[in-house]
Amino acid sequence: DSGVTQTPKHLITATGQRVTLRCSPRSGDLSVYWYQQSLDQGLQFLIQYYNGEERAKGNILERFSAQQFPDLHSELNLSSLELGDSALYFCASSVGGTPTQYFGPGTRLLVL
Amino acid sequence: GENVEQHPSTLSVQEGDSAVIKCTYSDSASNYFPWYKQELGKRPQLIIDIRSNVGEKKDQRIAVTLNKTAKHFSLHITETQPEDSAVYFCAALGGATNKLIFGTGTLLAVQP
Repeated sequence: DSGVTQTPKHLITATGQRVTLRCSPRSGDLSVYWYQQSLDQGLQFLIQYYNGEERAKGNILERFSAQQFPDLHSELNLSSLELGDSALYFCASSVGGTPTQYFGPGTRLLVL
Repeated sequence: GENVEQHPSTLSVQEGDSAVIKCTYSDSASNYFPWYKQELGKRPQLIIDIRSNVGEKKDQRIAVTLNKTAKHFSLHITETQPEDSAVYFCAALGGATNKLIFGTGTLLAVQP
């Protein structure tokens, strides 16, 4: 157990819908990262937040957005869902000054 | 842009043999190189990491070597066991972007 938690574990929804994925980092970690893992794309970095501020951006679609709240938990919002958005979404966290990232258990999203 | 290439994509070894997975990176400013193990449907787990000021690091049966000149790093697993079977990902932290770029993964199968 890495200490990073994610909810929900599984999510099944329809195309066009909007979902919110939630992540709580390890105690004391200020940075949160979001990744998408699909069969044909591997682990793709989406976005990083540090202490509430966006720090780095990867291949995140405009339909996706994220935020980090004052209690340091983070939410990833996915809207206008398409079949191709079906994937495992992982959150990771790290202590602010170190690069070591610890992953949560992931949310498996299925868009029908 | 930043890129990490990983080889081989699949690797089958007999129990007790050694396994070697190789990665090359494009960003010469990268200074942190973690390796993750991911079992089916589970989260990526950090197994070992190395920073650019070190050429080799060992942890029991696992070792990582880094050649900064060639921009190449490798994972070595000795005395493999069936429980080592998983997908292994290498990654490199972008020097300027602070993004972790992952390789495409190696499926390691250890035959008993």
